[in-house]
Amino acid sequence: EAQVTQNPRYLITVTGKKLTVTCSQNMNHEYMSWYRQDPGLGLRQIYYSMNVEVTDKGDVPEGYKVSRKEKRNFPLILESPSPNQTSLYFCASSFQGEGTEAFFGQGTRLTVV
Amino acid sequence: GESVGLHLPTLSVQEGDNSIINCAYSNSASDYFIWYKQESGKGPQFIIDIRSNMDKRQGQRVTVLLNKTVKHLSLQIAATQPGDSAVYFCAENQGQNFVFGPGTRLSVLP
Repeated sequence: EAQVTQNPRYLITVTGKKLTVTCSQNMNHEYMSWYRQDPGLGLRQIYYSMNVEVTDKGDVPEGYKVSRKEKRNFPLILESPSPNQTSLYFCASSFQGEGTEAFFGQGTRLTVV
Repeated sequence: GESVGLHLPTLSVQEGDNSIINCAYSNSASDYFIWYKQESGKGPQFIIDIRSNMDKRQGQRVTVLLNKTVKHLSLQIAATQPGDSAVYFCAENQGQNFVFGPGTRLSVLP
């Protein structure tokens, strides 16, 4: 089954404790991205990757890092999480090029206390 | 910057009625649009898309209309069912990336 898989689905952590949210897709998509979803603000892009070893900042990259060492994986790293990073995070992937739909993971609800 | 937005944050319709969800976009250069449906606890799911060289596209019970003159997009759902209750997002393709609106919550009343 074609899918985008995120882990964990739920995470509660403390301020400053490094964490990684994993994302994996099995559709051989070149393009992957991370979004955060906050009430009233919709989906905002954090980082994206056009292909292996190619990553770029989205609209809200501060406080986040990503890596793309393999085509299928695109982890989101929070080196020192803060409470304002409490949010619902989505990973998405698609084929390269304009005009192709993005497939989303199930989401990771992160709470930073 | 350029953005995509929705006219109404919530919409309640009677089961069996038709639903219309609206979206305004501001980037006249955008050439591809998608409607996503997000059910509670799930990620957004693709419903239907439309390219800028079209003004209407139909799927199963859903129709998307694009008015490039006024930069307006709408999603029409025929014979709305309880399973249609969700948040609906329009997304505008800008280069490789998508810009999403804040979403409209559709509630289907029995």
